[in-house]
Amino acid sequence: AQSVTQPDIHITVSEGASLELRCNYSYGATPYLFWYVQSPGQGLQLLLKYFSGDTLVQGIKGFEAEFKRSQSSFNLRKPSVHWSDAAEYFCAVAPSNTNAGKSTFGDGTTLTVKP
Amino acid sequence: DAGVIQSPRHEVTEMGQEVTLRCKPISGHNSLFWYRQTMMRGLELLIYFNNNVPIDDSGMPEDRFSAKMPNASFSTLKIQPSEPRDSAVYFCASTLTTGLTGELFFGEGSRLTVL
Repeated sequence: AQSVTQPDIHITVSEGASLELRCNYSYGATPYLFWYVQSPGQGLQLLLKYFSGDTLVQGIKGFEAEFKRSQSSFNLRKPSVHWSDAAEYFCAVAPSNTNAGKSTFGDGTTLTVKP
Repeated sequence: DAGVIQSPRHEVTEMGQEVTLRCKPISGHNSLFWYRQTMMRGLELLIYFNNNVPIDDSGMPEDRFSAKMPNASFSTLKIQPSEPRDSAVYFCASTLTTGLTGELFFGEGSRLTVL
């Protein structure tokens, strides 16, 4: 069975600073990988996804993530954080060739942005 | 196009009462998922439907929980009788399952408080 670890429960960065949120997964083959963002009182929204091909994927809101098979990681990055990026971020993994709904979610990382 | 619509957004009830949560998936999507989010357990998949048929209900906590999808545009999650430990945010999500998995589109959730 697949699993996802987000080592950082809470991260605080200053506005304008760069951001990296860590995600490590466990799965026997190449999985499908996702990053979602959840603002307070809202549902989750997809930021980006990786299925195959280029290991650096671009998403919405200026986010990108890099799939590193050797490290079983799919870290999310943003070069310059905006105050509106404050939210909770979830990494998710789904077995390849299966339904995205079978995704396993990490416990989330809460991002606080300091002015 | 409207997103996934859930109702009610908030529900406060007393222990022992029946609770019914409702979901309207995005038109054209053929898979629907019910998730539960709590601080202690994170985001858990309860059940999912494909083409209105329940495929995997292994995440349903116990017999007090039941879910139905009578047609492609409507699903319910029922808890009877409710207990305080059922207090959580319940999310419905939908997707179109084709050759490649797609992203999950989440509703804004139903926050349930059982007193």
